[in-house]
Amino acid sequence: DIQLTQSPSFLSSSVGDKVTITCRASQGISTNLAWYQQKPGKAPKLLIYGASTLQSGVPSRFGGSGSGTEFTLTISSLQPEDLATYYCQQLNSYPLTFGGGTKVEI
Amino acid sequence: EVQLEQSGAQVKKPGESLKISCKGYGYSFASYWIGWVRQTPGKGLEWMGIIYPGDSDTRYSPSFQGQVTISADKSISTAYLQWRSLKASDSAMYYCARREDSSWHFDPWGQGTLVTVS
Repeated sequence: DIQLTQSPSFLSSSVGDKVTITCRASQGISTNLAWYQQKPGKAPKLLIYGASTLQSGVPSRFGGSGSGTEFTLTISSLQPEDLATYYCQQLNSYPLTFGGGTKVEI
Repeated sequence: EVQLEQSGAQVKKPGESLKISCKGYGYSFASYWIGWVRQTPGKGLEWMGIIYPGDSDTRYSPSFQGQVTISADKSISTAYLQWRSLKASDSAMYYCARREDSSWHFDPWGQGTLVTVS
C-alpha cells in the first residue's frame, strides 16, 4: 500500500496568512493526488485534483503543486471559513489511501 | 445536479447485521465507480473499497476485505455497504463518493451515515 504522510497535523494561523500543507507519498504517484476539505460535521469536499487542478467553484486562494512523492496545498490568504481539516488522497493505485489530515485553526 | 443520498443513522447491537445505502441522482449511475470511506470519531478518513455498478466489479482495501460487502443495484441507482456481524469497532461515520473517470478523484460525496454499535 502507498502511505501518505501529511504535515503538520495541526496548524494555527491568522486571517490573511499564507498556509502550506505538505503530503509525502511512500512511492512515486505522478500527479495522481487529490486534496479535500472537511469542515466540522460535514462530508469532505473536493478542492484539487490531478495535484494542481482547482475544482470548479473552489476559491482561487487554494492552490496545489507537486509530483512524484511530494505535494503541497497552499492557501494564499487564510479566511475564517477555511477552518477545517484537509486531507490528501493518492489515486495512483489500490487501495486509494488518504493522508492523516491537517487540522487548520484560525 | 449530481448528488449522492445516503440512508439514515443506525443504532445496532454487536453481532447484528446491517446494510446501508447510497443512491445516486442526476447522472448515469451505472457508468461511474462508487467508493466507500470510513471515519471513526475524531479520526481521519479510511478508504474501504469501490464498486462499478455497471458490472459490479469490486475492489476492497486489504484492511476491510472480508469484513464488509460492497454491492450495487444499477436498476435503482443504489450502492450498498453491508456487515454480517457488527462489532463495536464498526461504530463510525460512513461516506459514499463517486469517482470521476478523468483523474480518479471523488466528487461528490454523500452526506454520511452514522453507524453506532452498542
